[in-house]
Amino acid sequence: AQSVTQLGSHVSVSEGALVLLRCNYSSSVPPYLFWYVQYPNQGLQLLLKYTTGATLVKGINGFEAEFKKSETSFHLTKPSAHMSDAAEYFCAVTRSGSARQLTFGSGTQLTVLP
Amino acid sequence: DAGVTQSPTHLIKTRGQQVTLRCSPKSGHDTVSWYQQALGQGPQFIFQYYEEEERQRGNFPDRFSGHQFPNYSSELNVNALLLGDSALYLCASRPDRGPGWNTEAFFGQGTRLTVV
Repeated sequence: AQSVTQLGSHVSVSEGALVLLRCNYSSSVPPYLFWYVQYPNQGLQLLLKYTTGATLVKGINGFEAEFKKSETSFHLTKPSAHMSDAAEYFCAVTRSGSARQLTFGSGTQLTVLP
Repeated sequence: DAGVTQSPTHLIKTRGQQVTLRCSPKSGHDTVSWYQQALGQGPQFIFQYYEEEERQRGNFPDRFSGHQFPNYSSELNVNALLLGDSALYLCASRPDRGPGWNTEAFFGQGTRLTVV
């Protein structure tokens, strides 16, 4: 079974500051890992994903995440926050090679202060 | 390409009633999954349909059932509604094979169900 823990249900940063959203996973098999963003009253949009290969993955809107197996982590970062980044962010995991059921974390609400 | 479309966008039902939610997958996608997202929580997997059959199911009671049609569109049915069924219901689609089969799921905007 897989599970995801997102540390910090709410994160506030100033515009232009570093964004760091934390995600730790548990999986008995090699995982596939994802970050999704959800704007108010909308569905989920994929930001980036890790499947195999390079452990540092780059996504849309300047976000990136690094898969660290030894730490079972997949933290999301962005060097400089924009007001438009304010949203809820979800980390998700699934089994490698058979990505049927996504298991999501409880989400982190990002607020960007002017 | 319209992407994943869901209807209706909002719905209000009374306890004990039955509801049907609809989903049209992204063009080229034949696999549809349904998720329930309660307020302040992450989405939880309900079930997945492929070739008109339920292929995988999460930890939801039998009151939750589904269907997939030959054109790959899908319905989620919930019987005997409870107040706790109030949530955003998300549909996700992906291809069963070919590029992206095992990675990317595309989500619809969701249906906001309120049970009163």
